[in-house]
Amino acid sequence: DGGITQSPKYLFRKEGQNVTLSCEQNLNHDAMYWYRQDPGQGLRLIYYSQIVNDFQKGDIAEGYSVSREKKESFPLTVTSAQKNPTAFYLCASQTPGAGSQPQHFGDGTRLSIL
Amino acid sequence: AQKITQTQPGMFVQEKEAVTLDCTYDTSDQSYGLFWYKQPSSGEMIFLIYQGSYDEQNATEGRYSLNFQKARKSANLVISASQLGDSAMYFCAMREGYSSASKIIFGSGTRLSIRP
Repeated sequence: DGGITQSPKYLFRKEGQNVTLSCEQNLNHDAMYWYRQDPGQGLRLIYYSQIVNDFQKGDIAEGYSVSREKKESFPLTVTSAQKNPTAFYLCASQTPGAGSQPQHFGDGTRLSIL
Repeated sequence: AQKITQTQPGMFVQEKEAVTLDCTYDTSDQSYGLFWYKQPSSGEMIFLIYQGSYDEQNATEGRYSLNFQKARKSANLVISASQLGDSAMYFCAMREGYSSASKIIFGSGTRLSIRP
């Protein structure tokens, strides 16, 4: 079955540590996105990528970094510069074309500080 | 700047009743699309329904329909004959423009709880 796989499901970060969240898709989608969701809140865009080797900052990119070396993969690194990383992180992908196309989401990674 | 407002943080509904979840939006663009997603407690986001700004008819998908009032800038989700499995967070979202390259912004969500 085609879909988006995020791993790990739960992740713990120590102070001063960088951690990387994995996002892999086999939907052959060009565009991929990372969102952050805080408790009781909506989704906020961190980074997005429309094609391989290109990505843009979203609304809350500070303290995060990404890479897009392969079409299938869009890993997100939460750096030590992100002082409040505890949140639920969702990865999404989308086929190019009409604006009516919805984004497809993974199951998310829950990140907490130790 | 575009904005999505969901004014109902939480709602309780009796099973088998219909429920309306409110969503208002703000945009200066004439071309835009509106989405509704469901987020169960497990966390994944499930796409429910889409309405384009130029669509003359309200969108429907099974038990879901979208009450689109363009002049009021509202796009309320109607769930008919609610079921226990409908208990979840519901998010309204908007994309400006008609390209899939445009970003989507999300509202803060409504938590729907269905009572047996």
